[in-house]
Amino acid sequence: GAGVSQTPSNKVTEKGKYVELRCDPISGHTALYWYRQSLGQGPEFLIYFQGTGAADDSGLPNDRFFAVRPEGSVSTLKIQRTERGDSAVYLCASSYYPTGYNEQFFGPGTRLTVL
Amino acid sequence: KQEVTQIPAALSVPEGENLVLNCSFTDSAIYNLQWFRQDPGKGLTSLLLIQSSQREQTSGRLNASLDKSSGRSTLYIAASQPGDSATYLCASHSGSARQLTFGSGTQLTVLP
Repeated sequence: GAGVSQTPSNKVTEKGKYVELRCDPISGHTALYWYRQSLGQGPEFLIYFQGTGAADDSGLPNDRFFAVRPEGSVSTLKIQRTERGDSAVYLCASSYYPTGYNEQFFGPGTRLTVL
Repeated sequence: KQEVTQIPAALSVPEGENLVLNCSFTDSAIYNLQWFRQDPGKGLTSLLLIQSSQREQTSGRLNASLDKSSGRSTLYIAASQPGDSATYLCASHSGSARQLTFGSGTQLTVLP
């Protein structure tokens, strides 16, 4: 595809349930990022992958959050025992250069609502 | 830790006006600064990227400048149009961090 894609676009779940959010980066991009955006705020960093490995997961709020990128392309963000405070838009971005400092391109996001 | 601030939080201007959006950051050791546009309910669209060695970048009616010594960046929009209405976010890389640190954005409304 031409850009970063994310599925689903919307996810409604009940408190305590498990959810998976998927990100397909731009083909050939080595770096992949997950961010979370609350209403009226800028995105906040969650985790960064360089290839298959998580190079920096310092933004994950707690151990209920986990992300994988097994083949260095598609990534899945997994949230266990969801809480109402997890409700937000989850954004994925990718970039080309291995340093990760180059321009980041964002997907449309997944809006997660925890009831 | 890098902190990015955008003031004002909201701005309303009549169509045709030239305008400037401000972004300030606390850590002057940035690697680059990126400006984004976000339409309601949508993801982020990259507008301009300024590398730390550059002073400005231009794309069409947009011009972004970077002054590392003062910790400031500005986004200049010429001849604003109603279609420019959106939230504009700035973000920087700094230190050893690969991730972007974002401001809270400026919500721009251009009135016809």
